[in-house]
Amino acid sequence: SQKIEQNSEALNIQEGKTATLTCNYTNYSPAYLQWYRQDPGRGPVFLLLIRENEKEKRKERLKVTFDTTLKQSLFHITASQPADSATYLCALGDFSNDYKLSFGAGTTVTVRA
Amino acid sequence: DAGITQSPRHKVTETGTPVTLRCHQTENHRYMYWYRQDPGHGLRLIHYSYGVKDTDKGEVSDGYSVSRSKTEDFLLTLESATSSQTSVYFCAIRSGTGGTGELFFGEGSRLTVL
Repeated sequence: SQKIEQNSEALNIQEGKTATLTCNYTNYSPAYLQWYRQDPGRGPVFLLLIRENEKEKRKERLKVTFDTTLKQSLFHITASQPADSATYLCALGDFSNDYKLSFGAGTTVTVRA
Repeated sequence: DAGITQSPRHKVTETGTPVTLRCHQTENHRYMYWYRQDPGHGLRLIHYSYGVKDTDKGEVSDGYSVSRSKTEDFLLTLESATSSQTSVYFCAIRSGTGGTGELFFGEGSRLTVL
């Protein structure tokens, strides 16, 4: 069965540094991958989408890469700020599956001032 | 704001009792989803709907049923709640008509089964 793994450990970084999160998957060939942010007690909020034929996408201080050979996506938060502290979820989808997304367990990021 | 509301937001119930969670949207989206979120497991799909009266199972559907009698409402029912169903439940709607539309989530319903 398909498996999605994100950094198992929480990430603790200094303000201004770059946070790098990983999302690895097996037994799956997603057509696209999405990243969400989730704050405590809230629902996830969509951040970025990257398709299988795209290597990299950027949005402000966020950058996502997608390597279908390695079966991995990397999510970067550059010039991190305390307000970036949250849990980040990756989600994989394809076009044949009624638009169902499969989510990783998430990585919690804490940015220290 | 995607116009999704979940109710109740918090509920404590006893094993064996029925529970219904409601998801209401104001956006007229076709696809609606129910997920549960547990530590270490992330979000797991319970059931989803692709139109009025059109529903299908997700990966963890045992013990749950759903109904969608009108576009705006998607109900999740636990016929006889068990302690393993203690979780946070999220409803989501899918935006757009393309295949890669993002999900908009509600604020969650925290259910505790004693």
